[in-house]
Amino acid sequence: KNQVEQSPQSLIILEGKNCTLQCNYTVSPFSNLRWYKQDTGRGPVSLTIMTFSENTKSNGRYTATLDADTKQSSLHITASQLSDSASYICVVSDSGGGADGLTFGKGTHLIIQP
Amino acid sequence: DAGVTQSPTHLIKTRGQQVTLRCSPKSGHDTVSWYQQALGQGPQFIFQYYEEEERQRGNFPDRFSGHQFPNYSSELNVNALLLGDSALYLCASSEVAGANYGYTFGSGTRLTVV
Repeated sequence: KNQVEQSPQSLIILEGKNCTLQCNYTVSPFSNLRWYKQDTGRGPVSLTIMTFSENTKSNGRYTATLDADTKQSSLHITASQLSDSASYICVVSDSGGGADGLTFGKGTHLIIQP
Repeated sequence: DAGVTQSPTHLIKTRGQQVTLRCSPKSGHDTVSWYQQALGQGPQFIFQYYEEEERQRGNFPDRFSGHQFPNYSSELNVNALLLGDSALYLCASSEVAGANYGYTFGSGTRLTVV
């Protein structure tokens, strides 16, 4: 069964600090991995999408890495801001790429404190 | 350029009733997917519509049905509501049904069944 595990489940850091969120997956065959940011009660917003051949992708202060051999990904947030407080969801797509082939993690709930 | 629009934003229904949720995809997108997100969980795939037909379906009972209109907008219908149907219902649109294209999510409809 395809699975996506994220850690930590929740994280509290001070404004201005950096943090790294982890994602391990067992989705096979693999097509791509996406990181989304989801504010409470809102829909997820795409941060990055990486295919098998990509091992890093940045979007402003967000940098995602992918190790397809170990089936691990990380999302690094630099110089955190209060607006970064949200859930961060790792989503892995199988080779079919269809909506039914997306496996969602449960997310990491990040809280930025002033 | 409007993104994905969902209506209503919040809804309270009584057990046994029927509900219809609506979604307008992002401009240029022709595929609509629906997800159910329980509190603290990742989204679960319900079904996907493309060219006005249901193309893929997740593990949801027949009480969940949908429709896509010629303008690509979509409806999600749930009959005989159960307390367990209480969740955030997300609509996601994409340019084509699958591959490495991005999915743009709406802000969701929060359904509460009492």
